[in-house]
Amino acid sequence: NAGVTQTPKFRVLKTGQSMTLLCAQDMNHEYMYWYRQDPGMGLRLIHYSVGEGTTAKGEVPDGYNVSRLKKQNFLLGLESAAPSQTSVYFCASHPARGKLFFGSGTQLSVL
Amino acid sequence: QQQVKQSPQSLIVQKGGISIINCAYENTAFDYFPWYQQFPGKGPALLIAIRPDVSEKKEGRFTISFNKSAKQFSLHIMDSQPGDSATYFCAASKRNAGNMLTFGGGTRLMVKP
Repeated sequence: NAGVTQTPKFRVLKTGQSMTLLCAQDMNHEYMYWYRQDPGMGLRLIHYSVGEGTTAKGEVPDGYNVSRLKKQNFLLGLESAAPSQTSVYFCASHPARGKLFFGSGTQLSVL
Repeated sequence: QQQVKQSPQSLIVQKGGISIINCAYENTAFDYFPWYQQFPGKGPALLIAIRPDVSEKKEGRFTISFNKSAKQFSLHIMDSQPGDSATYFCAASKRNAGNMLTFGGGTRLMVKP
């Protein structure tokens, strides 16, 4: 039972490069989220999705884009990476009424 | 504006002692207050949660105390063990907002043997 799987686990980018983080869940959950975790700031919501084909902005959406073309996948894109986007990124999902499950995170460094 | 404030940022407790982590919130629309536990290299996992219609919830060695009038809630870990060493996050969400959580800043707990 894989749960929520994030790829890659680690990545180093140069300023201005682009990349996509992939989140996949095998629990048939409707809701999916992308958070970033920074020291002393907890987890802050970047974007979220309440179902296939839908996305919405969270607390800190600037510089990120997302897509939910398939129910099981939620992609987070950085079009032009900046050092301020150095962080640990977590994907999470939950069913319509249920607890939140997190992936194990992606550590991103932007030089 | 941080809607959920958590303290302390770090905590060191001796084995067998009581660990106490506090959170305060501002938005009175919040009606669900979970605590998450995160081990290094892992994602957060739900530990225990409370709704404002009760003042306390206990699960094993973990207890949430809730003070609605003060807009505060706290996590108590009784008989703390080295295996409890982790980062703890409090969070809150609003009614009808699903599980869209607002997190506190986190507390890094170290339990010394």
